[in-house]
Amino acid sequence: SYELTQPPSVSVSPGQTASITCSGDKLGDKDACWYQQKPGQSPVLVIYQDNKRPSGIPERFSGSNSGHTATLTISGTQAMDEADYYCQAWDSSTVFGGGTKLTVL
Amino acid sequence: QLQLQESGPGLVKPSETLSLTCTVSGGSISSSSYYWVWIRQPPGKGLEWIGSIYYSGSTYYNPSLKSRVTISVDTSKNQFSLKLSSVTAADTTVYYCARQYRQLGHPIDYWGQGTLVTVSS
Repeated sequence: SYELTQPPSVSVSPGQTASITCSGDKLGDKDACWYQQKPGQSPVLVIYQDNKRPSGIPERFSGSNSGHTATLTISGTQAMDEADYYCQAWDSSTVFGGGTKLTVL
Repeated sequence: QLQLQESGPGLVKPSETLSLTCTVSGGSISSSSYYWVWIRQPPGKGLEWIGSIYYSGSTYYNPSLKSRVTISVDTSKNQFSLKLSSVTAADTTVYYCARQYRQLGHPIDYWGQGTLVTVSS
């Protein structure tokens, strides 16, 4: 079965750029999505089709996907961006990465 | 604004069947653009896709759960449901229902609030 691998944690200072990676076999040939989940809340879609932002998602969230790695980039990271982030792709079924805890400190 | 709401028992005994229903409001479950999905998340852990259903009744299940899962849809009530049989403590998680695009890379754009189901005698 298809697998997506994320680093368990990423730390970033306020105002700096955070990058969260998601790796999978030929992931660049698929569309990647990203979700933000804060404690006690449901996930929120922040990126779809590799680099598209749903309505209401701040411009500081961007994405890319090439080769075997998709990347979620948060520019000018704010304290409110501290959350768990999950990547997702479709390989005949829905597959999630294990999640990355983003700490803003 | 689309809303999804999970409902069902919060406590299920081991070896019994977990049953949850998701009620969709603010939109039609019969749209050709979407799948309707169940996802679960053990406390403090990651997301796991359980399965999906199309309004026509076509279903797709996670191979690791397929032998125990049944997802059904009731278009007249704008609801879809999950049944998970022979539950164990490992099935104690938060269960989410959600809407997933059939195209555009299959993003999940609307989620229910989630419901915690505990498996315990």
